[in-house]
Amino acid sequence: DIQMTQSPSSLSASVGDTVTITCRASQSVSPYLNWYQQKPGEAPTLLIYAASILQSGVPSRFSGSGSGAHFTLTISSLQPADFATYYCQQTYGTPRTFGQGTKVDVK
Amino acid sequence: QVQLHESGPRLVKPSETLSLLCTVSGGSVSSKYWNWIRQPAGQGLEWIGRMSPSGSADHNPSLRSRVTMSLDVSKNLFSLELSSVTVADTAVYFCAREGQFVRPLDNWGQGTLVTVSS
Repeated sequence: DIQMTQSPSSLSASVGDTVTITCRASQSVSPYLNWYQQKPGEAPTLLIYAASILQSGVPSRFSGSGSGAHFTLTISSLQPADFATYYCQQTYGTPRTFGQGTKVDVK
Repeated sequence: QVQLHESGPRLVKPSETLSLLCTVSGGSVSSKYWNWIRQPAGQGLEWIGRMSPSGSADHNPSLRSRVTMSLDVSKNLFSLELSSVTVADTAVYFCAREGQFVRPLDNWGQGTLVTVSS
C-alpha cells in the first residue's frame, strides 16, 4: 500500500493568515494526488485534484503544488469557512489511501 | 448535479453483516466508478473499495474477504456488504463517485453512521 503522511496533524491560525499543509507519499504518485476539506458532521468535499487543479467552485485562495511524492496545500488569506480538517489522497493505485488529516483551528 | 444517498440499518450486531445501499440520482451507475469510504468517530478516512461501471470490484485488502460490493443498474444504485462485523467497524460510511482524469472523489453522499453493538 502507498502510505500518505500529512504534516502537521493540526495547526492554529487566524483569519487572514496563509496556511501550508504538506503531504508526503511513500512513493511517487504524480499527478494522482487530491485534497479534500471536511467540516464536522459533513462529508468531505473535493478541493484540488491532480495536485494543482482547483475543483469547480472552490475559491482561488486554495492552491496545490508538488510532484513526485511531495505535495502542499496552501490556503491564502484564511477565511472563517476554512477552519476544517484537510486530507490528501492518492489515486495512483489501489487501495486508495488518505493522509491522516490536518485540523486547522482558530488561534 | 449528481447526488448520492446512503441507506441501511444503523445498528448491526457483532458477527452479523452490515448492508448499505447508495442510491444515485442525476447520473448513471453504468458510467464512472463508485466508492465506499468509512470514518470512525474522531478518526480519518479509510477507503473500503470501489465498483467499476462494468461491475468489477476493487477492495481494501485490510478488510480481507469480508467485503462484497455490487452494482444494480436497473435501480441505479450500488451496495456494500461487510460480514462478521465487530465494534471496530462502527463508523460513518460514505459512498462517493470517482471523477475523470486522476479519478478524485468528486461527489459524496452525506454519510450514514452504522453502530455495531449487541
